[in-house]
Amino acid sequence: RKEVEQDPGPFNVPEGATVAFNCTYSNSASQSFFWYRQDCRKEPKLLMSVYSSGNEDGRFTAQLNRASQYISLLIRDSKLSDSATYLCVVPKGSGTYKYIFGTGTRLKVLA
Amino acid sequence: DTEVTQTPKHLVMGMTNKKSLKCEQHMGHRAMYWYKQKAKKPPELMFVYSYEKLSINESVPSRFSPECPNSSLLNLHLHALQPEDSALYLCASSQELQGAYNEQFFGPGTRLTVL
Repeated sequence: RKEVEQDPGPFNVPEGATVAFNCTYSNSASQSFFWYRQDCRKEPKLLMSVYSSGNEDGRFTAQLNRASQYISLLIRDSKLSDSATYLCVVPKGSGTYKYIFGTGTRLKVLA
Repeated sequence: DTEVTQTPKHLVMGMTNKKSLKCEQHMGHRAMYWYKQKAKKPPELMFVYSYEKLSINESVPSRFSPECPNSSLLNLHLHALQPEDSALYLCASSQELQGAYNEQFFGPGTRLTVL
């Protein structure tokens, strides 16, 4: 099993739709999780951090399911500007500075 | 201010050239990172500095040489690169707290082309 796994997509959704991505992780001891968005040829930008059960910021909600070892990202009322690749990032483990990146999920919001 | 800056934005170099990439942050972060990213792939870790000391080298070829002159600056010296080294080079920083994993903040990257 990969350390961090994401569905690469693309997810093509109409404007206004609700879309959810999952990210599974293999290290059951992981305590923190991050979602980044990355636009084409740009740097990853932090979207959301998850340290406990979940987090919400406007139209974006992240939920953590420790029993099944996955985190989800829910985007409500999708905008054209939400089109990007969403990267799930999980620290490798205590005592290191390594962060494991998922391969990213590509989202296209269609007019 | 959650800004990490990188220069140059673009760099084209021949295989015999020597060049340097620069990264700067003023967030007081004590961990700084170099990543390499190829198209349609996630970033790959190259080096990590913690408190200005090299903490991780992910078996990167010696033609890449990192340097951390002070807590705000990170350089990547390039020499005798190969065309396959063409990529987006990203710098990132994070707070360094014992036992805690903190968000990384990325710079805009340097897009490197090796001819």
